[in-house]
Amino acid sequence: GAGVSQSPSNKVTEKGKDVELRCDPISGHTALYWYRQSLGQGLEFLIYFQGNSAPDKSGLPSDRFSAERTGGSVSTLTIQRTQQEDSAVYLCASSVRSSHNEKLFFGSGTQLSVL
Amino acid sequence: QQPVQSPQAVILREGEDAVINCSSSKALYSVHWYRQKHGEAPVFLMILLKGGEQKGHDKISASFNEKKQQSSLYLTASQLSYSGTYFCGTGPITGGGNKLTFGTGTQLKVEL
Repeated sequence: GAGVSQSPSNKVTEKGKDVELRCDPISGHTALYWYRQSLGQGLEFLIYFQGNSAPDKSGLPSDRFSAERTGGSVSTLTIQRTQQEDSAVYLCASSVRSSHNEKLFFGSGTQLSVL
Repeated sequence: QQPVQSPQAVILREGEDAVINCSSSKALYSVHWYRQKHGEAPVFLMILLKGGEQKGHDKISASFNEKKQQSSLYLTASQLSYSGTYFCGTGPITGGGNKLTFGTGTQLKVEL
């Protein structure tokens, strides 16, 4: 595709349920990032993948959050036992490489609402 | 630690200039600037790397003072299309590649 694609665009779930959010990066981009944006807040780093290296999970807020990237392309962010404070927009971004001078291309995000 | 952006919000009349500042408590290697319109994905504006360079794109330019760990975004002769939330993202000197830490954003509104 032409850009970073995320699905679903909106997800409403009940507290305690698990959710999966999907990200399709731009073809050929080796680096993939997940960020979270709460209402009126900045972008909070969650996790990033670079090629076949072990992901940097330093931003994951709890062990209920996990992510994987299969075949160096599609990534799935999983939130287990969702809580109301997990409600936010989850943004995925990709870049050609994970280096300082590479710009990030963001998807439109998944709006997660936990009732 | 999250960089601090100022001002938090600004309203301009079309044609006016604005400056948005981004300050970090950590030594920086890079500063990214992105603009996000309501309900849309953040869009890349520019990257500045260690070296104190200044960059420009049309009527939007930016500077990076690595000694002060600060960057400023300059918008001149603002247009209605400049409206949105501007985020700076900082990349540390050591490690992290492009793992950016973003500020809380500056809301810019340009009116007729």
